[in-house]
Amino acid sequence: QMQLQESGPGLVKPSGTLSLTCAVYGGSISSSSWWTWVRQPPGKGLEWIGEIYHSGSTYYNPSLKSRVTMSVDKSKNQFSLRLSSVTAADTAVYYCASKISYLDFWGLGTPVTVSS
Amino acid sequence: QSALTQPASVSGSPGQSITISCTGTSRDVGGYNFVSWYQQHPGKAPKLIIYDVSYRPSGVSNRFSGSKSGNTASLTISGLQAEDEADYYCSSYTTGFNVFGSGTEVTVL
Repeated sequence: QMQLQESGPGLVKPSGTLSLTCAVYGGSISSSSWWTWVRQPPGKGLEWIGEIYHSGSTYYNPSLKSRVTMSVDKSKNQFSLRLSSVTAADTAVYYCASKISYLDFWGLGTPVTVSS
Repeated sequence: QSALTQPASVSGSPGQSITISCTGTSRDVGGYNFVSWYQQHPGKAPKLIIYDVSYRPSGVSNRFSGSKSGNTASLTISGLQAEDEADYYCSSYTTGFNVFGSGTEVTVL
């Protein structure tokens, strides 16, 4: 059973860059899955941020595309998210997940607050 | 890209059946058989309960079933139980990425 674990700062200053990492256990980052980030603002619904394949190919939500960068580190079996120019609207629980055509394995989520 | 449209809330008594709709367009729900459904209990990560419109992952109760007609997908929960009280989200592939539904809160009366 694959497990995913998010890590990163829980507090980011406005206009700064949010950086999160997702470690993959019990599976290879080089498998046929796409590695996905999803977020959920407090009291609101889920939002697809984007996904990356082990080759480096990416798909980003058009509404966030100008601020999002994803990367894969095969040596550490993990993938990462960077979201620049953050505002309070980026405050959310951030989840990483593995995806075939659906999100089958999820991390527990990590809360990130944007505040000075 | 707008979220797929779901009813904000649905309720039912134990043992009853309820259906949650998920309405999109021909560019997402209507265009692909890549609709999935997720159950989320408070403070927990979402859990996959239906994929590719109507398939259940191993370990998911057969009380959950999915279908699609045109631009609308549906999730039916049969024999409603107290443990089914949660938020439910649909998701669909669209060109280049995926989109979630607005979410439905299910209450067991």
